[in-house]
Amino acid sequence: DQQVKQNSPSLSVQEGRISILNCDYTNSMFDYFLWYKKYPAEGPTFLISISSIKDKNEDGRFTVFLNKSAKHLSLHIVPSQPGDSAVYFCAGNGGATNKLIFGTGTLLAVQP
Amino acid sequence: DVKVTQSSRYLVKRTGEKVFLECVQDMDHENMFWYRQDPGLGLRLIYFSYDVKMKEKGDIPEGYSVSREKKERFSLILESASTNQTSMYLCASSSDVETQYFGPGTRLLVL
Repeated sequence: DQQVKQNSPSLSVQEGRISILNCDYTNSMFDYFLWYKKYPAEGPTFLISISSIKDKNEDGRFTVFLNKSAKHLSLHIVPSQPGDSAVYFCAGNGGATNKLIFGTGTLLAVQP
Repeated sequence: DVKVTQSSRYLVKRTGEKVFLECVQDMDHENMFWYRQDPGLGLRLIYFSYDVKMKEKGDIPEGYSVSREKKERFSLILESASTNQTSMYLCASSSDVETQYFGPGTRLLVL
């Protein structure tokens, strides 16, 4: 049972354009969502998060949107830069525990 | 800054060997986690711990055990390594808020 789904294994975008990474979830108990970025041979680094009581959170070039009715969140990166090329994981946190449920990741390639 | 360190970046072991992966965090976090990352499968939780000497099974605990004797240290043990345990192992820690902070990972190859 995959509670967090990232249906696009990869995405290619031109430098300067917008990157949109998508994530769907099934567990309505999730109350907090996070995006992590991972370079090869390194651990994931926290990027941005959003509480379920909000529908948008912005941090510089990164914006996360949450649509609770559709159980969908997305990460927008604008403008995209070659250094943004990495695997992006979304994760949900449900309630009483600090467990995170991760998606399978999307590999973003930003072409110069 | 939170720092999570893992004892090895790369390990090569033989089938049947006992393997210890060590993780240390310096932020006095209560919670620590062990994941493995495999292509197409994302990050899967093996074990986690909310306190010293406390452990909880994650989604894929079979073939693994853990030890948390001190708050800052969380060890993952492969009692008898098998080839299907070849993977990238990631340790993370967190306080009571949601964000987990990850170490650099250990890439384990079991021959």
